Amino acid sequence: GESVGLHLPTLSVQEGDNSIINCAYSNSASDYFIWYKQESGKGPQFIIDIRSNMDKRQGQRVTVLLNKTVKHLSLQIAATQPGDSAVYFCAENMYSSASKIIFGSGTRLSIRP
Amino acid sequence: EPEVTQTPSHQVTQMGQEVILRCVPISNHLYFYWYRQILGQKVEFLVSFYNNEISEKSEIFDDQFSVERPDGSNFTLKIRSTKLEDSAMYFCASNEYREGYGYTFGSGTRLTVV
Repeated sequence: GESVGLHLPTLSVQEGDNSIINCAYSNSASDYFIWYKQESGKGPQFIIDIRSNMDKRQGQRVTVLLNKTVKHLSLQIAATQPGDSAVYFCAENMYSSASKIIFGSGTRLSIRP
Repeated sequence: EPEVTQTPSHQVTQMGQEVILRCVPISNHLYFYWYRQILGQKVEFLVSFYNNEISEKSEIFDDQFSVERPDGSNFTLKIRSTKLEDSAMYFCASNEYREGYGYTFGSGTRLTVV
């Protein structure tokens, strides 16, 4: 069935270090993946996405890696800053049912000064 | 940058009352959605709307829920008889495309049913 899950509910990182947030998905038919950031009291904010025909995509300070063999997705944040503190959700969207996004459970990222 | 606007930001209602949550999607977007997030949980899909009709709905979206686009700018979610378990953040989203990229979420309405 459809399922997008996260390995860890919380992650604490030293300011300036790199953060890695992981996600597993179960539906091999998923072909589009998105990472969202949600700050307190706000809606999900798009960070970066990746199509299933790619295994890596880079943005500004963020990189998403996709391993289709083990159905694993990760978000890497370089030089983590206090403003990166938030809950991060992975999500999937399938072209066969492209009208909805399926969210994972979320990882709370906290930054140590 | 264009935004999806939701009002009110917080609504408190008595159990059994009707509530209407309002959204103004981005003006050139054609696809509209409602999601909800119970406190501390993940964001859940409720319904999608395109061309003045529901495209898809989840099992959460039962007969107590309805959506409407009453004019060219607003998109509303109505809950006819609220239950305590309807307490959640409700997010509206809109998209220019059918596919997932380009999705923009509003800041949400916190609904508290007492």
